[in-house]
Amino acid sequence: GENVEQHPSTLSVQEGDSAVIKCTYSDSASNYFPWYKQELGKGPQLIIDIRSNVGEKKDQRIAVTLNKTAKHFSLHITETQPEDSAVYFCAANGGNEKLTFGTGTRLTIIP
Amino acid sequence: GAGVSQSPSNKVTEKGKDVELRCDPISGHTALYWYRQSLGQGLEFLIYFQGNSAPDKSGLPSDRFSAERTGGSVSTLTIQRTQQEDSAVYLCASSLAGLPTYEQYFGPGTRLTVT
Repeated sequence: GENVEQHPSTLSVQEGDSAVIKCTYSDSASNYFPWYKQELGKGPQLIIDIRSNVGEKKDQRIAVTLNKTAKHFSLHITETQPEDSAVYFCAANGGNEKLTFGTGTRLTIIP
Repeated sequence: GAGVSQSPSNKVTEKGKDVELRCDPISGHTALYWYRQSLGQGLEFLIYFQGNSAPDKSGLPSDRFSAERTGGSVSTLTIQRTQQEDSAVYLCASSLAGLPTYEQYFGPGTRLTVT
């Protein structure tokens, strides 16, 4: 089955700086790669996703890049704000309906 | 509109007791997923329902875990003879259809503590 690794496990950045979180996956059949943000006491919320037919996708301050050859994808957050502080999870679908999640990155924005 | 709801939000039970966790998906969503999130860990897939098809139970960790979905809507996850290692947050998600077409919407979870 699919295996997703996520790094780093914790990340602290100054407000206004950029944050990058990286994930690798193992199953070449994976074709859907979502990123979720989870705030304390809440369920994960989808913030951006990318499919295997594109290499990059942007939504305002958030972008995701995908390298299918290397089997890795990354989340980029620019101009970070205090409300970006949360735990972020990447996931891959292994070519089917189930998502395999990374272990999460706790992002802290330092004012 | 209403999102995915789960009840109870918190459940404390004694080791050996059975528990039932409930999920109300978004109306019209045909796909429903259960995940388990242990402290500081990612989400572990448990079971997947899609319409009237047989559920994908491949993620259930033992035969003490079962789930059903009645009328294609509400789902109940049952854990029999609970063990301390079952302590976790149990998350439910629904989508219009299975991946990779549609986004999964998550509920707030049920925090289960087995003492």
